Amino acid sequence: GAVVSQHPSRVICKSGTSVKIECRSLDFQATTMFWYRQFPKKSLMLMATSNEGSKATYEQGVEKDKFLINHASLTLSTLTVTSAHPEDSSFYICSASKGGNTGELFFGEGSRLTVL
Amino acid sequence: KQEVTQIPAALSVPEGENLVLNCSFTDSAIYNLQWFRQDPGKGLTSLLLIQSSQREQTSGRLNASLDKSSGRSTLYIAASQPGDSATYLCAVSASGYSTLTFGKGTMLLVSP
Repeated sequence: GAVVSQHPSRVICKSGTSVKIECRSLDFQATTMFWYRQFPKKSLMLMATSNEGSKATYEQGVEKDKFLINHASLTLSTLTVTSAHPEDSSFYICSASKGGNTGELFFGEGSRLTVL
Repeated sequence: KQEVTQIPAALSVPEGENLVLNCSFTDSAIYNLQWFRQDPGKGLTSLLLIQSSQREQTSGRLNASLDKSSGRSTLYIAASQPGDSATYLCAVSASGYSTLTFGKGTMLLVSP
């Protein structure tokens, strides 16, 4: 199989606090993971590409100091939303590649962030 | 820049109907195309993956076709069931190591 797990699935926090979301590949190693943000009735928006052992590559318009990404091992990537504001409230989804030449990506269950 | 469009945005059908969801993309130089299912408040479940060299893939009641030259893909769902109600997303990738460009999805409701 290819299972990707995200935690927490839901989090509510106060403005100004930081929130960490974890993405784990449970039964495979993922050298590359991707973080997406999903707005209502909009396409998934790629935020950044996370590579194990190196700095993440951020998409244009995504604040790297706001959304900290760490890919410390082949099975874990974390997204930290720093000094969260209500406009950061969204659904965040990670995905991981098993490698090989199919290019197939597997997605986590998503994390709903609500900033009060 | 690749753009993916899905039509219709929403679809409501009675149980048992066969239906077709459409996906089009502007740049035909794709590596693969994936169809996903997303239930409300949940992540994405991969349904079918079609490599650029393939014309179609089948899984159970689902059949996805790909016409790369015209930039189109269709997802055919046979004998629809209420449990098929979800949002269906189409996404394409430019290489085996790149991320995906998504459409906005088609929200499907199958009524008993």
